[in-house]
Amino acid sequence: QSALTQPASVSGSPGQSITISCAGTSSDVGGYNYVSWYQQHPGKAPKLMIYEVSNRPSGVSNRFSGSKSGNTASLTISGLQAEDEADYYCSSYTSSSTVVFGGGTKLTVL
Amino acid sequence: EVELLESGGGLVQPGGSLRLSCAASRFSFSNYGMNWVRQAPGKGLEWVSGISGGGGSTLYADSVKGRFTISRDNSKNTLYLQMNSLKVEDTAIYYCAKDRRKTTVSTPDYWGQGTLVTVSS
Repeated sequence: QSALTQPASVSGSPGQSITISCAGTSSDVGGYNYVSWYQQHPGKAPKLMIYEVSNRPSGVSNRFSGSKSGNTASLTISGLQAEDEADYYCSSYTSSSTVVFGGGTKLTVL
Repeated sequence: EVELLESGGGLVQPGGSLRLSCAASRFSFSNYGMNWVRQAPGKGLEWVSGISGGGGSTLYADSVKGRFTISRDNSKNTLYLQMNSLKVEDTAIYYCAKDRRKTTVSTPDYWGQGTLVTVSS
């Protein structure tokens, strides 16, 4: 149950696009389409932004999109806004029927 | 909108026990799997445990297996986490999270505000 691998930090200017990667193995990310992405602002609970690789829950901006290639999933945020500054976590279902999270990525909007 | 309210956190000595509760409302509780996810101070999210909608299937992270027990009472719309043999490294905010699936867990979607567990002498 090793954590998925995410970059510690990414940054971008308002209006730009950024992508956060989430690397796993064939026993988690690569083996199932149950990859999710969460946004967490300081002192707040996580919020689901993407589920099942590329689906957005109702109410989530279409500036957020997800994809997967092999054992690596990605979250792309387009038209970056100040309120997007937060920590982002990926997660995946695993072959052990458990859930594993990534280490988290701090997004800074310059 | 789904509501999840955790309780039962607090300060406990190493080796001690604590039981967390999560009161759920505004959704059909028995139709969804449920999760416990924790976050140590300044650290990332760690999935702890999950349970199917009917309660017949329980799952644990290796870090808590044999020490923690997840359960649910569908008649009371309440999720529990019994934590025994607590260690300093169990110190964290514990979140209750509803899952999108019924027969297992894979995608926590709605989260409570969390309850803080501090293990210290």
